Amino acid sequence: NAGVTQTPKFQVLKTGQSMTLQCAQDMNHNSMYWYRQDPGMGLRLIYYSASEGTTDKGEVPNGYNVSRLNKREFSLRLESAAPSQTSVYFCASADRYSYEQYFGPGTRLTVT
Amino acid sequence: GENVEQHPSTLSVQEGDSAVIKCTYSDSASNYFPWYKQELGKRPQLIIDIRSNVGEKKDQRIAVTLNKTAKHFSLHITETQPEDSAVYFCAANYGQNFVFGPGTRLSVLP
Repeated sequence: NAGVTQTPKFQVLKTGQSMTLQCAQDMNHNSMYWYRQDPGMGLRLIYYSASEGTTDKGEVPNGYNVSRLNKREFSLRLESAAPSQTSVYFCASADRYSYEQYFGPGTRLTVT
Repeated sequence: GENVEQHPSTLSVQEGDSAVIKCTYSDSASNYFPWYKQELGKRPQLIIDIRSNVGEKKDQRIAVTLNKTAKHFSLHITETQPEDSAVYFCAANYGQNFVFGPGTRLSVLP
C-alpha cells in the first residue's frame, strides 16, 4: 500500500516550457487535490476532483490544467511555465465521507 | 470567501512544557477540522482531527478542542519533546475542499 505517489520528485524548467506532474493513489479515494506551497507559506489549492470525471478550480488555478484520468490518477499540467510557478507541489487524496486527507511526497519545481 | 486564521506564527517552548496553537474559521458549514505536522522537506502528515459533533478529542500527548459557536479550534501538545519541532497547519473543510491556515513554526528547546 503505497498511499499517494508523485512523479517527478524534482524538476527544473525554463520559462515557456511545459510539463505534467503525475499523481496516483491506491486508497480507493474519490477526492483528489493539487496544492502548491511557497516558502514559509501554507498550502493553496490549485484544482481538485471530487470524483472520477469531474474537476474544479481552487484558489490559484491560473496557468494550470488538470486531468482526472481514472479514480487512481490525477495529473497537473503547466502549459507554459513561468518563474512565479516555482514552488513545491503536493498532490493529496481524501475519502469522500471521512474527509481524511493524505499527501504525496511533493514535487519541487524550479522555473528559470 | 472561506478563510482560516492561525496564531501564533512562531512558538518556542522549553522541552516538557505545553504548546497551544489556535485557529479560527469563517464558514459556519465547516464540519471537519484536521491538524497537520510538516517537518522540513517532508509532506504534511495528519496528526489529529475533530468533527463538529465533538467538542474535544485526545490522542496521547495531543488534543484538539472545538468551539463551534465562536468558530475556533485549538491544538494542545503536552510534555513537548524535541521531535515535536515542526510546522503545524490547521485546516477546515468547505464541502469536499479544504482551506489551510498559514502555519505555526514550533520549536522545542532542550
